[in-house]
Formats: sequence, C-alpha cells, structure tokens
Amino acid sequence: GNSVTQMEGPVTLSEEAFLTINCTYTATGYPSLFWYVQYPGEGLQLLLKATKADDKGSNKGFEATYRKETTSFHLEKGSVQVSDSAVYFCALRRNQFYFGTGTSLTVIP
Amino acid sequence: NAGVTQTPKFQVLKTGQSMTLQCAQDMNHEYMSWYRQDPGMGLRLIHYSVGAGITDQGEVPNGYNVSRSTTEDFPLRLLSAAPSQTSVYFCASSYWSGTGPSYEQYFGPGTRLTVT
Repeated sequence: GNSVTQMEGPVTLSEEAFLTINCTYTATGYPSLFWYVQYPGEGLQLLLKATKADDKGSNKGFEATYRKETTSFHLEKGSVQVSDSAVYFCALRRNQFYFGTGTSLTVIP
Repeated sequence: NAGVTQTPKFQVLKTGQSMTLQCAQDMNHEYMSWYRQDPGMGLRLIHYSVGAGITDQGEVPNGYNVSRSTTEDFPLRLLSAAPSQTSVYFCASSYWSGTGPSYEQYFGPGTRLTVT
C-alpha cells in the first residue's frame, strides 16, 4: 500500500539553526512527493514538491530531494526563522494524497 | 477570490445529533475532498469528488455522507455523531489531472468539531 512515515516531533530550534525533518515513504509505482506546511489556525499550504527520482524541490529556503534508493524525501533548511514555526507534513500522491502525521516545529529567538 | 471556505469554524455536538459541515470553493476546481486530522495520525481522507454528481469513499468514510450537486459546494454530513468523530475537519480542492488530484491542493481553514 501507500504510506508516509515522518519523524516525530515536536522539534524546537533556536533561530538560525539547521533544520532536518525526516520522511520516508512506501508506495506502489513512482509517486510524486510533497511537503505541505500548516501555520497556526490555518489550512495546509504546498511548500515544495518533486515529481521524479533525484528531483530537488525548493521554496522559501527549504529543500528536499527525492531519493528513490532510500525511499526518502527529507526536508532541510539551512537557517530557520521564528516565522518558520508551523507543522510540516510530508505527503505522496498516487491516485490520491497520503499524508504523514506531521512534525511540529517551534523556532525560538 | 475567497479560495476554499468552511463553516462553521467550531462546533460542539451531543452524541447522536446530526449536522452538516459546509465547504465551498470559487476556483472552478473539479476535485474536492474532506480530511480529518487527529493527533498522531495526520490527515486521513474521508470522501472525495471528481466533479458534480460524482463522489467516492476515502480511507475513513463510515459515519459520513457527501453529495456534490454543484462544482462549488461539497458538504459533509455527520449522520449520528459519535465521540470518535471529535476531530478537525479540512476541506480541500484542486484541479483533476485525469489520474489524480493536481499537485497543489488548496485547503480551507478547518472546522474543529467536538462530540460529547
């Protein structure tokens, strides 16, 4: 079947720290992979995507690389800001979307 | 351009009551869906629709009913509320690619439902 596993939270970092949120997936065929972000009190928004192996998605300083050999799509950012505090969801798309459990990130000044 | 709107924002029900969560979008999207978000379980798909008059079940459809009479609206009905349906409900919409929802789904702000 299709599923996404992402690292448990919550994660607390100081401003300008390096961020990694791990995500691995199980899927039939070759899914597209995504990171969505949910700011407090809002719905989810697309952060970045990658549609085939070795693609790198990037947006707002965040990056993730589609690694078929390790079935992973880890989210990274070199220097986090307070405004990055949110819940981050890894997801895959086949005929529908499958979301991970979400990782809460808090960035403190 | 309002995007995806959901009403109400908050709702408290007693066990056995019924209610309808409203969802509307103004982007002419074919695909609309309902998810529930529970702690430690992420988002799970309840029902979805690929166009007016067409609906199908997702991962957790029991206890919920949907219909799609127009492109814009996709209400979710709770037939007889149970405490296990306490959750945050999100409606989402997107274009339909032919094989699945398009890459960018647009989410509403959510409805927080408590069933006592």
